[in-house]
Amino acid sequence: RKEVEQDPGPFNVPEGATVAFNCTYSNSASQSFFWYRQDCRKEPKLLMSVYSSGNEDGRFTAQLNRASQYISLLIRDSKLSDSATYLCVVTNNTNAGKSTFGDGTTLTVKP
Amino acid sequence: DAGVTQSPTHLIKTRGQQVTLRCSPKSGHDTVSWYQQALGQGPQFIFQYYEEEERQRGNFPDRFSGHQFPNYSSELNVNALLLGDSALYLCASRRTGNTGELFFGEGSRLTVL
Repeated sequence: RKEVEQDPGPFNVPEGATVAFNCTYSNSASQSFFWYRQDCRKEPKLLMSVYSSGNEDGRFTAQLNRASQYISLLIRDSKLSDSATYLCVVTNNTNAGKSTFGDGTTLTVKP
Repeated sequence: DAGVTQSPTHLIKTRGQQVTLRCSPKSGHDTVSWYQQALGQGPQFIFQYYEEEERQRGNFPDRFSGHQFPNYSSELNVNALLLGDSALYLCASRRTGNTGELFFGEGSRLTVL
């Protein structure tokens, strides 16, 4: 079993749709959580951090459930520019800050 | 403020050859991690360097080795290349003790023929 598992996707949605991505992690010692965005043939870039209290950045909302070891990302009012691969990332502070990535979920937003 | 820089950006090797990839971390960062990203997969952790020592290692064979220099730059060496080593190799940096954002370089795309 992989340490970080994500919805396999791909997700193909029309502009304006709301889409949700899910992620689970297996290491209960994990302490920091993130969503990264990766455009085709580019490097990953931080989209947002994820906190237990939940956090929102414009159209993006991230939530963490430590008890269930589950992370989510909600994108509202999808734009064409949201088309990318979304990577769930878990960092284990007891291992010198090792960050483990999921395989990503690909989103395509269509006109 | 220079970000993470990697070289070369693209390279082609044949099976059995050796390759060295280079990385300069973002200014102020002293921890460097290397990742391998095969097509359709997420980045897989290879190893992490801090204070010129390998601190963590992922499930990669000994053919993968690295080094960190006093100026925090790093190299990834892969010996006896296999076809399956074809991938995007990403270098990421952060400041030690900061488990927040990882900053990535644009990667080195390795093709093994």
